[in-house]
Amino acid sequence: DGGITQSPKYLFRKEGQNVTLSCEQNLNHDAMYWYRQDPGQGLRLIYYSQIVNDFQKGDIAEGYSVSREKKESFPLTVTSAQKNPTAFYLCASSRGAGNSPLHFGNGTRLTVT
Amino acid sequence: QQQVKQSPQSLIVQKGGISIINCAYENTAFDYFPWYQQFPGKGPALLIAIRPDVSEKKEGRFTISFNKSAKQFSLHIMDSQPGDSATYFCAASPGYGQNFVFGPGTRLSVLP
Repeated sequence: DGGITQSPKYLFRKEGQNVTLSCEQNLNHDAMYWYRQDPGQGLRLIYYSQIVNDFQKGDIAEGYSVSREKKESFPLTVTSAQKNPTAFYLCASSRGAGNSPLHFGNGTRLTVT
Repeated sequence: QQQVKQSPQSLIVQKGGISIINCAYENTAFDYFPWYQQFPGKGPALLIAIRPDVSEKKEGRFTISFNKSAKQFSLHIMDSQPGDSATYFCAASPGYGQNFVFGPGTRLSVLP
């Protein structure tokens, strides 16, 4: 089955540590995205990538970094510079063409203490 | 102008009733309007989507109504079931290469 795999489902880290969240897709989609979701809030865009080796900042990119070395992979690193990293992180992909919907993974819940 | 407003924040409906969630936007460049359904601990899943060249789209118990002049669109869930209890997000996109703007979500609870 085609889809998006995010791992791990739960992640715990100490404050001051960088942590990398994995996102892999086998949908052959060109575009990939990272969103952050906080309780009772909508989805906020962190970073997105329309093609391999290229990515753009979203609305809340500060304290995060990404890479897109392969079409199917778009890992997100939450750095120690992110002031409030505890959240639910969602990865998504799309064909990138006009009006193509987003397909989401099942998320990684990151807790930083 | 990039904002999508969504109401209500939460909604409680009896089984068999109609659930209605409303969204409004300002950016007239938006031309694709999907709705997503999210269950706790899961990622959002596409439910139904509409383009502004039609005023209504129906898929099973789910209907999108679209009012281009008012810049509003709504999701109607007919014969609501407890299994429909989830958070619903409306979204909008101006098209190719552009990113989606999401509403803040509506938490729907359908009572048995």
